[in-house]
Amino acid sequence: DVKVTQSSRYLVKRTGEKVFLECVQDMDHENMFWYRQDPGLGLRLIYFSYDVKMKEKGDIPEGYSVSREKKERFSLILESASTNQTSMYLCASSFDSVRPYEQYFGPGTRLTVT
Amino acid sequence: QKEVEQDPGPLSVPEGAIVSLNCTYSNSAFQYFMWYRQYSRKGPELLMYTYSSGNKEDGRFTAQVDKSSKYISLFIRDSQPSDSATYLCAMSARSNDYKLSFGAGTTVTVRA
Repeated sequence: DVKVTQSSRYLVKRTGEKVFLECVQDMDHENMFWYRQDPGLGLRLIYFSYDVKMKEKGDIPEGYSVSREKKERFSLILESASTNQTSMYLCASSFDSVRPYEQYFGPGTRLTVT
Repeated sequence: QKEVEQDPGPLSVPEGAIVSLNCTYSNSAFQYFMWYRQYSRKGPELLMYTYSSGNKEDGRFTAQVDKSSKYISLFIRDSQPSDSATYLCAMSARSNDYKLSFGAGTTVTVRA
């Protein structure tokens, strides 16, 4: 079974703090994704990576950056957290470029910024 | 206007009923359609994938695509309490698109 793990289930941070969300997958997948999920808005893609050290912007990259130094690990960074970044953050991975839609998701990190 | 519209529900049905879920979309370039299921406090999991128009069946689940109406559906037959979840539709123009367009999800409860 593919396993995607995220470092925290719940996180509370203060406005202006730098926040790191970590994601690890154990199936040697090429692609990794970061989404946020908000009620009524569904899943929105923040960034994705199709290879180590490669990253591409998704639909809502503003206020976020990512890092992929190793194939199995993809980090999402909030440089200066703001209250409008309070959300559920979901990490996903998929095997390769042939079927990138077949994504395996982690359990999510619920981030609250106060 | 959102690219993909999905009624959030919630939908509550008795066990054994047929559950009918649907999404509409505005981008006529979409050709690949997915349904994900998300249990409470879990990430989504891919349930079904279809290409272009037509039907696809997998056990109790049937996915339908009507590209002329820009409308997709998911039917769950003989629904079980274990089907209680949020169902998200997703779509893309090409099979190798990394970016998917998701609906907001419909929450379904199947009552025992």
